[in-house]
Amino acid sequence: QKEVEQNSGPLSVPEGAIASLNCTYSDRVSQSFFWYRQYSGKSPELIMSIYSNGDKEDGRFTAQLNKASQYVSLLIRDSQPSDSATYLCAVRSISNFGNEKLTFGTGTRLTIIP
Amino acid sequence: SQTIHQWPATLVQPVGSPLSLECTVEGTSNPNLYWYRQAAGRGLQLLFYSVGIGQISSEVPQNLSASRPQDRQFILSSKKLLLSDSGFYLCAWYGLDNYGYTFGSGTRLTVV
Repeated sequence: QKEVEQNSGPLSVPEGAIASLNCTYSDRVSQSFFWYRQYSGKSPELIMSIYSNGDKEDGRFTAQLNKASQYVSLLIRDSQPSDSATYLCAVRSISNFGNEKLTFGTGTRLTIIP
Repeated sequence: SQTIHQWPATLVQPVGSPLSLECTVEGTSNPNLYWYRQAAGRGLQLLFYSVGIGQISSEVPQNLSASRPQDRQFILSSKKLLLSDSGFYLCAWYGLDNYGYTFGSGTRLTVV
């Protein structure tokens, strides 16, 4: 089982609609969760972080975390063509020895249709 | 403000040649530093991370190595490149004054 799983897509959403991106993780001691946006040929850009169960909103973006279900999602409201990109889910874990690592999913390719 | 610099942006190297990629961070001290590789159509793979000068942890056995000669400098090296080393190499940092991992602009390496 992969440590962080995402549906690779492509996910097509009409402009103005809500895009919903999902991610599951396997390590129960995971502590921090991140969503990155990556345009083709560019490096990932952090757009949201979430640490506690529930919702966190930032502009058109809402991150949702459910640690019991080991599930994190990203909602994009009022989708714009500029939101077309690959979205990467990342999970940060710290072991008992203090070693930390950030593990990424393979990403979901999102296309917003004008 | 904190910035991360990575160079070169693109690199074409023959098989068997050496490699040196450099990453530097400005505006912070004692950051955790990371090297990731993204192969075409694949996810980000953690290669090395460092929590301090001279401290390197390797995640994947391979012909690559990393060094951290200064607090804000992280270097990825290889003595002899393989075709399979082609990919998009990304340096990232994480610190107490940064709530997430920040990536450099990346180096696209093509081994021919």
